[in-house]
Amino acid sequence: AQSVAQPEDQVNVAEGNPLTVKCTYSVSGNPYLFWYVQYPNRGLQFLLKYITGDNLVKGSYGFEAEFNKSQTSFHLKKPSALVSDSALYFCAVSATNTDKLIFGTGTRLQVFP
Amino acid sequence: DGGITQSPKYLFRKEGQNVTLSCEQNLNHDAMYWYRQDPGQGLRLIYYSQIVNDFQKGDIAEGYSVSREKKESFPLTVTSAQKNPTAFYLCASSLLQTGGFYNEQFFGPGTRLTVL
Repeated sequence: AQSVAQPEDQVNVAEGNPLTVKCTYSVSGNPYLFWYVQYPNRGLQFLLKYITGDNLVKGSYGFEAEFNKSQTSFHLKKPSALVSDSALYFCAVSATNTDKLIFGTGTRLQVFP
Repeated sequence: DGGITQSPKYLFRKEGQNVTLSCEQNLNHDAMYWYRQDPGQGLRLIYYSQIVNDFQKGDIAEGYSVSREKKESFPLTVTSAQKNPTAFYLCASSLLQTGGFYNEQFFGPGTRLTVL
């Protein structure tokens, strides 16, 4: 069965500092991994995905994520956080043998000025 | 929120009533999805459809029903059998998931349903 874990309910970071939002997954088969962002009372916006190839994936708004197969992780990163990055971030996983997307419980990112 | 619209934005329902949430997309996507979002639980799949006139149950289909008569539309009905319907409902669409490639889902702005 597929599963995804976001171990931190909230991440706090000062503006200008690097940020990391953690995600680990469990699938049978090759994973397809996604990050989405949600602002209050809005739908989810796609940030980036890993399907195959280079382990470092670059996405929207300066975000990137690193796929680590041995650690089954797909952490979201940004070199310099902005106050406007404050939002709810979701990691999601699917696999080659299914058409469903499984979401983590979300991590709230708070960037302080 | 791209080319997906959901209406209404807010919906209030009395106990025992059925209500229908609208979802329309102009992205020419074959696949459409309904999710329920509750605080601290992430998104849970209710129903999904990959082609007109066909749909499959997700993880929490009980108390919900859908139809897919047109490619562009995938309405969700929350029936009186759904015991705890107060939640934020999100509709999404994507290109079909073909072997070896997984297409991201695009989300609508959501409908917040409250049972009075």
